[in-house]
Amino acid sequence: QVQLVQSGAEVKKPGSSVKVSCKASGGTFSSYAISWVRQAPGQGLAWMGGIIPIFGTTDYAQKFQGRVTITADESTSTAYMELTSLRSEDTAVYYCARVGSTGSYSDWGQGTLVTVSS
Amino acid sequence: EIVLTQSPGTLSLSPGETATLSCRASQNISSSSLAWYQQTPGQAPRLLIYGTSSRATGIPDRFSGSGSGTDFILTISRLEPEDFAVFYCQQYVSSPRTFGQGTKVEIK
Repeated sequence: QVQLVQSGAEVKKPGSSVKVSCKASGGTFSSYAISWVRQAPGQGLAWMGGIIPIFGTTDYAQKFQGRVTITADESTSTAYMELTSLRSEDTAVYYCARVGSTGSYSDWGQGTLVTVSS
Repeated sequence: EIVLTQSPGTLSLSPGETATLSCRASQNISSSSLAWYQQTPGQAPRLLIYGTSSRATGIPDRFSGSGSGTDFILTISRLEPEDFAVFYCQQYVSSPRTFGQGTKVEIK
């Protein structure tokens, strides 16, 4: 069983950036993909993008293209999601999830609340 | 982009009843690439079903999935108090990965 532990809640000003971390334990980090999903207050789940650490390849949702960067550090088994040019609509809980061998999201982090407010 | 439309938006049922949730895709999806997740308030989603009909580890057999092509169903038999939650379908056959908007199963 893989456990994903995310960094703590953040409060950011509009126009700034946030970087959320997701540390994995159990399993072989580089052998699976990590995706990021966000959930605005009272809303559903929205896929932001993902990374395959062993290849360093990334894929992003068009909605976030140019503002989101997903990276991974194999030495610390940690994935990161950085979102720039923050606006109030980016206030949400951000989740990382491990992509299992079947392609579905078998393990999830606990979520990180990012609040964007002036 | 594959759009997933879930219905109904809310399902009001009593414990012991059966819930039937629908997920319709805007184009054909391989049956191996459709999942269902459960989310309770304040918690991260939990994988229930993958590949349309395979239960994830530890998921009780009262949860079952079926379907093909563009129409998929999650059935929850004999609802238990802990089953009342929001359920999302997801396709992972193509990018962007997309989720349905969710179905809330609430206690009647």
